[in-house]
Amino acid sequence: QKEVEQDPGPLSVPEGAIVSLNCTYSNSAFQYFMWYRQYSRKGPELLMYTYSSGNKEDGRFTAQVDKSSKYISLFIRDSQPSDSATYLCAMSPGNYKLSFGAGTTVTVRA
Amino acid sequence: EPEVTQTPSHQVTQMGQEVILRCVPISNHLYFYWYRQILGQKVEFLVSFYNNEISEKSEIFDDQFSVERPDGSNFTLKIRSTKLEDSAMYFCASKSSWSVTGELFFGEGSRLTVL
Repeated sequence: QKEVEQDPGPLSVPEGAIVSLNCTYSNSAFQYFMWYRQYSRKGPELLMYTYSSGNKEDGRFTAQVDKSSKYISLFIRDSQPSDSATYLCAMSPGNYKLSFGAGTTVTVRA
Repeated sequence: EPEVTQTPSHQVTQMGQEVILRCVPISNHLYFYWYRQILGQKVEFLVSFYNNEISEKSEIFDDQFSVERPDGSNFTLKIRSTKLEDSAMYFCASKSSWSVTGELFFGEGSRLTVL
C-alpha cells in the first residue's frame, strides 16, 4: 500500500460548485496534515494545516482529518476560476520530512 | 512578501556533468529543504538542513548529492555525475523556527534536464 494515496483527477467543476478532495494514508505515525496548492510552473503553496484529527475552516476552505480512518479531505466552497490548480495533500509524523500525495488537478469552469 | 528564490529556472546538462542548483531562502528562516518532482510523479523529499548540517535525508539522497550553505544567504544542491533519471523539477523550501511542522515556503523550482 502506498504511504499517501490521492486521486490525480482531473476534476472539472462549474464556478460556484463545491470541490471535494481527499487523500488516504497508511502510516499511523502521521500527526500533521497539510494541503498545498500548486499553480502551473510554480512551487507548492501552503493552503491549510491541521494537527491530528478534526476540522479546520479558513474562509471558503475546510480541511478535515479522520485519523481513525486514515482519511483527510479538503472542501472548497463557492469555487472560483482562480481556484484552478493542482492540490497536493502532505503529511508528516513531526520530523523534517513531508510525504506528498500525487496531487489532484482541479479546473473551475467560468 | 518574502519569498524563496531559485536559480537557474531551467538547466540543461549532459549526462555525467555536475550541476549546482541555488536557492536563497527567506531571510529569517533556519530550516532548509530540497524536494524534487519528476514529471508526472509526486513531490519527493530529498534532504533537510538545519544549523549547518543535514538533519534528515531520503534514500534518494545518496553520495551523488550534497548540500551546502556557503554563506549567510545561499543554500545549494550539488548533483555530481548527473544521470538521465535526475531530470526533474527541484524545489527548495524553507521554514522559520517558530512556524509549525509542514509550514514550508517553496521556491518556484529549478527544472533540470539531463540529456
